Amino acid sequence: DQQVKQNSPSLSVQEGRISILNCDYTNSMFDYFLWYKKYPAEGPTFLISISSIKDKNEDGRFTVFLNKSAKHLSLHIVPSQPGDSAVYFCAATTVGGGSQGNLIFGKGTKLSVKP
Amino acid sequence: DTAVSQTPKYLVTQMGNDKSIKCEQNLGHDTMYWYKQDSKKFLKIMFSYNNKELIINETVPNRFSPKSPDKAHLNLHINSLELGDSAVYFCASSQSRTLNYEQYFGPGTRLTVT
Repeated sequence: DQQVKQNSPSLSVQEGRISILNCDYTNSMFDYFLWYKKYPAEGPTFLISISSIKDKNEDGRFTVFLNKSAKHLSLHIVPSQPGDSAVYFCAATTVGGGSQGNLIFGKGTKLSVKP
Repeated sequence: DTAVSQTPKYLVTQMGNDKSIKCEQNLGHDTMYWYKQDSKKFLKIMFSYNNKELIINETVPNRFSPKSPDKAHLNLHINSLELGDSAVYFCASSQSRTLNYEQYFGPGTRLTVT
């Protein structure tokens, strides 16, 4: 039972263009969402997060959008750079829940940015 | 300076053996975690722990046990290893369980059970 779904296993974009990574969730109790980036043979590194009280959060080239009614979030990277090539994981959690702080991860989307 | 470190990075062992993976964080965080990334690439929480409370994912077999000698360390002990335990295990830490949901991950330990 996947509570967090990343339906695109891979995405390829040209350098300088926008990369859009999508994530859907099923648990309506989730109220905090995070994106992690992972290079091969390394652990995931935190990228950006968003609380359910917001619908957008921006940090430099990275913007996360949240559509609560659709239970959907997306990560926009613009402009995309070759160094952005990695696996991107979407994660969700419930503030104040019984397992508060535990992150539920999607399966990841492998982004390839071509020069 | 490595924020979250794990040893060993690779571990190959036979079925039935008992093994441990060590994790240390130098961030001063209160909460530490263990995750398993299986062959399908899902990252699944196994344990979360601070000095007051251990939360165990109910799907984790009791052959797995976390041990924390102090706040900066959370080691993972695995008894009677099985083929299905082969995976990459990640340790992580966060400032607290309730105030900061950003978790910092170690580089992972690839466990292969033969």
